[in-house]
Amino acid sequence: DQQVKQNSPSLSVQEGRISILNCDYTNSMFDYFLWYKKYPAEGPTFLISISSIKDKNEDGRFTVFLNKSAKHLSLHIVPSQPGDSAVYFCAASEAGTASKLTFGTGTRLQVTL
Amino acid sequence: DVKVTQSSRYLVKRTGEKVFLECVQDMDHENMFWYRQDPGLGLRLIYFSYDVKMKEKGDIPEGYSVSREKKERFSLILESASTNQTSMYLCASRVGQGYGYTFGSGTRLTVV
Repeated sequence: DQQVKQNSPSLSVQEGRISILNCDYTNSMFDYFLWYKKYPAEGPTFLISISSIKDKNEDGRFTVFLNKSAKHLSLHIVPSQPGDSAVYFCAASEAGTASKLTFGTGTRLQVTL
Repeated sequence: DVKVTQSSRYLVKRTGEKVFLECVQDMDHENMFWYRQDPGLGLRLIYFSYDVKMKEKGDIPEGYSVSREKKERFSLILESASTNQTSMYLCASRVGQGYGYTFGSGTRLTVV
């Protein structure tokens, strides 16, 4: 049972435009959400996170939005750059579960010139 | 700079071999994790540990075991490697709830 879902396996965006990556979850006990970025042959790197008590968190070009009622979060990248081309994973954790994260299946973002 | 180090980037093993994947972190984190990444399946949790000598099964523990004798080291063991264990293996550590993982660079294991 996939508790964290990324329904778009891939996304292509022109340089300078906005990239929007989406993530849905089913477990209402999740209270902390994160986005990771992964280049080939490297481990994922932490990008941005949001607690369930917030609905928005911003860090430079990256903004994460959380809609708890819809169990949906999204990552906005503005403006998109070629170096943003990577696989993006959303992840969630549940309080009291020894800090383990449940990951989505990933979305491959391609930023074109 | 904090680090999680996985001992091998690439490994090729034969079916039936016992395989050890080693992971070391230098951040004094209590929590350590082993995931595998497969196309279309994302990252799936194999085992995790929240303290020395403590371990918990993740979502796909079958065919694997782990060892954590020291806080900084978490080993994943494939008891008898099979071809369906060909994958990218990722080790991570985390200081606690409310923080992200730090991942190692991964080990690409091929079982032939």
